[in-house]
Amino acid sequence: DTGVSQDPRHKITKRGQNVTFRCDPISEHNRLYWYRQTLGQGPEFLTYFQNEAQLEKSRLLSDRFSAERPKGSFSTLEIQRTEQGDSAMYLCASSWGTSDNEKYFGPGTRLTVT
Amino acid sequence: GQSLEQPSEVTAVEGAIVQINCTYQTSGFYGLSWYQQHDGGAPTFLSYNALDGLEETGRFSSFLSRSDSYGYLLLQELQMKDSASYFCAVGDNYGQNFVFGPGTRLSVLP
Repeated sequence: DTGVSQDPRHKITKRGQNVTFRCDPISEHNRLYWYRQTLGQGPEFLTYFQNEAQLEKSRLLSDRFSAERPKGSFSTLEIQRTEQGDSAMYLCASSWGTSDNEKYFGPGTRLTVT
Repeated sequence: GQSLEQPSEVTAVEGAIVQINCTYQTSGFYGLSWYQQHDGGAPTFLSYNALDGLEETGRFSSFLSRSDSYGYLLLQELQMKDSASYFCAVGDNYGQNFVFGPGTRLSVLP
């Protein structure tokens, strides 16, 4: 257990539905990342927060994806109008400081879109 | 943009030494990191190199050559529990855009 928690751990939804995932980072960490990982691939960067500010968002991320980090604590990732291609593991990671090479990952939320 | 290359699979026996290479192309560079991921688990941090040279942490060592855009992870005295996927990752712009490689699946045989 790294101290980063994610909820839910598993989500099955029908195509076209909206889903929201939550990430609670390590409390003193000011940076929070969302990644997506499919089987046999490395984690793919989605977006990044420093405190409550969303500073970077992958150009590959469609407008159906949105993330928030109110008050610089927990974060939510919402996917609207889900598609089968959204099926993946969604990982959250947190880190501290300007040299945040050491990221702590949560257990992930596995999304299955049917 | 950034891209990283790693071998897809490596196999070794218990007690052996294995080296996993990583080459990268990046518009900026802010260090090379290595992560381990067991099946069904989350990535866990192993090591980080910001400067050229070798960093040693127990049985694991990591090397970086910035002029060659190349690094490697060295695992010594392999144990069965080391069977996992290993990812190199690079960050630019002070680590904000942090990109993982495709991963190397290590299988340790008895």
